[in-house]
Amino acid sequence: GQQVMQIPQYQHVQEGEDFTTYCNSSTTLSNIQWYKQRPGGHPVFLIQLVKSGEVKKQKRLTFQFGEAKKNSSLHITATQTTDVGTYFCADSGGSNYKLTFGKGTLLTVNP
Amino acid sequence: DTEVTQTPKHLVMGMTNKKSLKCEQHMGHRAMYWYKQKAKKPPELMFVYSYEKLSINESVPSRFSPECPNSSLLNLHLHALQPEDSALYLCASSKAPTSGGYNEQFFGPGTRLTVL
Repeated sequence: GQQVMQIPQYQHVQEGEDFTTYCNSSTTLSNIQWYKQRPGGHPVFLIQLVKSGEVKKQKRLTFQFGEAKKNSSLHITATQTTDVGTYFCADSGGSNYKLTFGKGTLLTVNP
Repeated sequence: DTEVTQTPKHLVMGMTNKKSLKCEQHMGHRAMYWYKQKAKKPPELMFVYSYEKLSINESVPSRFSPECPNSSLLNLHLHALQPEDSALYLCASSKAPTSGGYNEQFFGPGTRLTVL
């Protein structure tokens, strides 16, 4: 898979604040998936983005795929303590099976 | 049933032991995966099975030996491991990808392995 850079590595917010994590690639991404891993848990699929400029929403979560398909973001509005965890983007690199994960952003929320 | 199960949850083994990790899914998925995850790191792909055949081996040392006895089961046989192999071992499954698309992976809870 391609190298996908994810920032920031850590983010601490007060409950109610917004949060954004970004994934960037130097080459065009085929598609991108987002996963959430709670502390002590396992990755759980959130969304897949395929089309250039795609925007998808899930309640307070907004996912975007850049027009050039070289970057993606996950934005959480009004964070809650249940949002705590590590958010990973993952790129298939054009492979049918192989996912390469970004390093992840660990979100902590102060109640 | 949208669950991937893994046993055992925890495993402590010595460097001379032989043990096996097991994974099971009943979602009819034809692709199954083993990942290794170290603390504060992303999952790293080890093996992929597609239709019960090994399709990807990410240059994993031979002390890790995968096996896919049938479409629902995936094993990882461990022998002569090193302390640096201590990690969370995650199993995942997905539909076999269709052309032009990609399918989400469902992860099991993992086996936390400690090698002494």
